[in-house]
Order: sequence, then structure tokens, then C-alpha cells
Amino acid sequence: QSVLTQPPSVSGAPGQRVTISCTGSSSNLGAGYEVHWYQQLPGTAPKLLIYLNNNRPSGVPDRFSGSKSGTSASLAITGLQAEDEADYYCQSYDSSLSGLVFGGGTKLTVL
Amino acid sequence: QLQLQESGPGRVKPSETLSLTCSVSGASIRTSDFYWGWIRQPPGRGLEWIGRIQFGGSSYYNPSLKTRGTISVDTSKNQFSLKLTSVTAADTAVYYCARSPLYGDPVVLYETWGQGTLVTVSS
Repeated sequence: QSVLTQPPSVSGAPGQRVTISCTGSSSNLGAGYEVHWYQQLPGTAPKLLIYLNNNRPSGVPDRFSGSKSGTSASLAITGLQAEDEADYYCQSYDSSLSGLVFGGGTKLTVL
Repeated sequence: QLQLQESGPGRVKPSETLSLTCSVSGASIRTSDFYWGWIRQPPGRGLEWIGRIQFGGSSYYNPSLKTRGTISVDTSKNQFSLKLTSVTAADTAVYYCARSPLYGDPVVLYETWGQGTLVTVSS
């Protein structure tokens, strides 16, 4: 069981908007530690998608956005495309565990 | 352009030591401006942080490894390594090396990843 909780799966039709939640606790997101998001396409290494809560690395489309409030964070994807079908992971730091923690991952299916 | 490449045996026997190397090209590992880390992913499962090191600084590990892990830097070869002792089948995973820019402890985010290497623990 992961310290950061994500829904196992979400789905949406092309062009739609989907959100993926990441729920933590007072020792990670609630303590003010930043959240980062990764996209993992099938058979490939994870790719940094959002960092420090709501920043996009160069090359990441602005269809992807992140937010954080209290013990929760969200990744939003607008204008869903077939190429967005992947696993998405949130990541932060946990002071109780004294280390980095990942969410369990969410599989996005584009219908 | 920064590239990371993992290498090591694809199979390790139970109770033995897993040893992996991450070769860094396109940047020098001899800098305190980055953290170098290892992350693993068991087949069909999620990501698990193993640990990180900073050149000239300390190394930190996932407490769940119970001191089995050691990460070191070899500046002469521009690479860093992972050793994991007393492995069991539960250590079977794809192992990734990655780099994080420095934002100040404990902020770590992995902006560049290697392609990963599968290590199977089996006799």
C-alpha cells in the first residue's frame, strides 16, 4: 500500500478533460512538501511531467497541469489524445519515512 | 545531451549481492549540483525509490531496504553504482538510474532517467 494514494485507473474520450488525484497525509503533502508527476508510456522509463506542484519541463504540452492543496494534489489533462494513454505517478517526500515516496500509479485509458 | 545507461547482470541468485552501474554521458558526475539516484519497478507494479547520492555529499536510502543498499560514485569512470545485498525474489525489478537537480533537501525530482535494466532474482 502506497503512502500516496492514486486511483488505479481513469479513462476519457479524446478531447475530454481528466484529472488524477494523489492523496497524502500530514507527513508528506500536508507538511508542505512538493509533489511531482511522471508519465510512463508502455515499456519505457518514466518521464517527468510536472515538478514542484505545477511546473512543466520544457517540451511538455500545456494540456498538462498540476495543482496541490493541503494533503492532496491533482494532475489535469485537457484535450485528451490517444498518445496520453500511459501510467501516471505522483511523487513527494515523507518526513516520517525520511525518504521519497511514490503513489501507486494510475493507468489512463483513452477510449 | 545527458544520457544515463544502466548495466549489470540480468540474473542474481537469492542471498547474493546485486550490483548495477549507471554510466553518465553528456555531463560530469563530479558536481555537487545534482543528486544521482536509483529507483526500481517490480514487474507490473509501481515505482519504488531506492536511494540517492550527491558527489561530495551524503547518501540516503529507503528505510525499507534495511541497510542492504549502498550507492557510490566513481568519478574516474563518470558513473555511479548500486549494491544491494542479500537479495530475494522480492528484489526482482526493473532498476532505473536517474538524476535530480538540486532544489535543496529534501526536494528531489528525477528529470532524467536511464532506460532501465531488468534484474531477476532466481536460482
